[in-house]
Amino acid sequence: KNQVEQSPQSLIILEGKNCTLQCNYTVSPFSNLRWYKQDTGRGPVSLTIMTFSENTKSNGRYTATLDADTKQSSLHITASQLSDSASYICVVPRPDSNYQLIWGAGTKLIIKP
Amino acid sequence: TAGITQAPTSQILAAGRSMTLRCTQDMRHNAMYWYRQDLGLGLRLIHYSNTAGTTGKGEVPDGYSVSRANTDDFPLTLASAVPSQTSVYFCASSVGTRLFNEQFFGPGTRLTVL
Repeated sequence: KNQVEQSPQSLIILEGKNCTLQCNYTVSPFSNLRWYKQDTGRGPVSLTIMTFSENTKSNGRYTATLDADTKQSSLHITASQLSDSASYICVVPRPDSNYQLIWGAGTKLIIKP
Repeated sequence: TAGITQAPTSQILAAGRSMTLRCTQDMRHNAMYWYRQDLGLGLRLIHYSNTAGTTGKGEVPDGYSVSRANTDDFPLTLASAVPSQTSVYFCASSVGTRLFNEQFFGPGTRLTVL
């Protein structure tokens, strides 16, 4: 069954600390994985996309990694800021569809001052 | 540019009533989507449109209908609302439906069906 699972479900850290969010997928064949950030009351916004051949990619303080062998991706946030408080969602294309994505339930991250 | 706009922002609707959620994009994207987001679940696709004049069913289409008369607008209609349709609805668009295309989202409509 094609699934995307994220952990932890929620996370609270102090401002300035680092954190790592996890995404495990069982989709096969795999083509790419995208991380979205969703602020409370807003729509998701793309942070980065990881293709099959990429292992790591940075976008400012966000670094995504991909291990296609273990079917895992992580999103590492460095020196967290209050504005990083949001839900982070991992998304993978459904292999038996030309248009449908499989969305993870997200990790709700709260940064405390 | 505005990107994607949705209206209304929120709505309380009596069961059995009909309602249309509006979505407009100004990016000239070919593809548009409607999702619903429920607590603890990932976004679920209701309907999509590859291009103006065409629509398709997503994962949870029952009770919803869409139309795509032009590139910019993609309204979602609930013909006879039921409480299980209480959710946050997001409209999104992308350049095309190729699965590595980034989807751009509107701010959402929070719908409560009583």
